[in-house]
Amino acid sequence: GAVVSQHPSWVICKSGTSVKIECRSLDFQATTMFWYRQFPKQSLMLMATSNEGSKATYEQGVEKDKFLINHASLTLSTLTVTSAHPEDSSFYICSARTGRNNEQFFGPGTRLTVL
Amino acid sequence: GQSLEQPSEVTAVEGAIVQINCTYQTSGFYGLSWYQQHDGGAPTFLSYNALDGLEETGRFSSFLSRSDSYGYLLLQELQMKDSASYFCAVRDPSDNFNKFYFGSGTKLNVKP
Repeated sequence: GAVVSQHPSWVICKSGTSVKIECRSLDFQATTMFWYRQFPKQSLMLMATSNEGSKATYEQGVEKDKFLINHASLTLSTLTVTSAHPEDSSFYICSARTGRNNEQFFGPGTRLTVL
Repeated sequence: GQSLEQPSEVTAVEGAIVQINCTYQTSGFYGLSWYQQHDGGAPTFLSYNALDGLEETGRFSSFLSRSDSYGYLLLQELQMKDSASYFCAVRDPSDNFNKFYFGSGTKLNVKP
């Protein structure tokens, strides 16, 4: 089946630093990847849509200069949280769509804690 | 905008049947999906409805009525391991990205 990995699975950083999260599709090519953020006991909020070779499309209210997304290849998308602050602490999940059907495959998530 | 409504919490006993409803209002609609998420884990895909009617996959069934902008997930023969959060999600074809927007989630508590 389709497998999506994320790295790191958790990260703790100091306020003001930047953190990069990688999302990889391991056994398929993903033309489109999605980045979500999930606060405790809340739903997944779509942050941005990432297409290989083009600029990401951000949802309303998501700062594109703070959450930098790069989709350099068909198997890798990265999310960089720049100048992280405690309010950015959350569970960040990526997903990838194969394009063949209506299913999206989720990565295991990255728990970010900003001190 | 996108709006998906689900009950926040449902409690049922092992072996019972439970139905989780989802009503939606979205600018575009291509289908309704259901996902299961255990605490601390990533969502896993359960089912997808693009057309009206019932889709059955083992103990799980999902129903869609596009005219009513309504769907539900039916879980039968509940097991303790089914305790999790369940999210409905709409696939929106607007702007060609086929984005998925998630409901608020329903926490299912299965009791012995």
